Amino acid sequence: GENVEQHPSTLSVQEGDSAVIKCTYSDSASNYFPWYKQELGKGPQLIIDIRSNVGEKKDQRIAVTLNKTAKHFSLHITETQPEDSAVYFCAARPFSDFGNEKLTFGTGTRLTIIP
Amino acid sequence: NAGVTQTPKFRVLKTGQSMTLLCAQDMNHEYMYWYRQDPGMGLRLIHYSVGEGTTAKGEVPDGYNVSRLKKQNFLLGLESAAPSQTSVYFCASSYSILLEQGRNTEAFFGQGTRLTVV
Repeated sequence: GENVEQHPSTLSVQEGDSAVIKCTYSDSASNYFPWYKQELGKGPQLIIDIRSNVGEKKDQRIAVTLNKTAKHFSLHITETQPEDSAVYFCAARPFSDFGNEKLTFGTGTRLTIIP
Repeated sequence: NAGVTQTPKFRVLKTGQSMTLLCAQDMNHEYMYWYRQDPGMGLRLIHYSVGEGTTAKGEVPDGYNVSRLKKQNFLLGLESAAPSQTSVYFCASSYSILLEQGRNTEAFFGQGTRLTVV
């Protein structure tokens, strides 16, 4: 089955600086890579996703890059703000998945923005 | 629009007791899922359902049972709770692309249930 590794497990950055979280996956059949943000006491919420036919996707201060050859993808947050403090999860899923039953999550990164 | 609602939010059980967690969604999603979240292990799928009346095992199904009698509800049962089942449980739901190509299959999560088994 799929194995998703996520690094680092904790990350502290100064407000205004950039944050990068990296994930690697093992199954070459995976072609959908979402990122979830989990705020304290809440459930995970999708913030951005990318499919294997795209190398990079941006949404305001958030971007995700995908290197399918190396089997890794990264989340980039620029101009970080205090509200970016949360736990971030990467995940991977194969094309054959009709829902999310084969969605495999990374172990999470706790991001802390220092004012 | 409430999205995905879980009840209860907190529960403490004694070893051997049973309980049922309720998940309700109002988005008419075909798929529903139960995950557990443990420190340093991310989210792991316990059971899932692709539609009313059907359920299937996920990655860590032992010690749990589920039922989906109505499309909007997905119940997770613990027949005889063990300390190893102390965790935060999340329910989620999503569309199925099988029924409509190009549909967004984003998983929407509830707020979680913190269960402690002593």
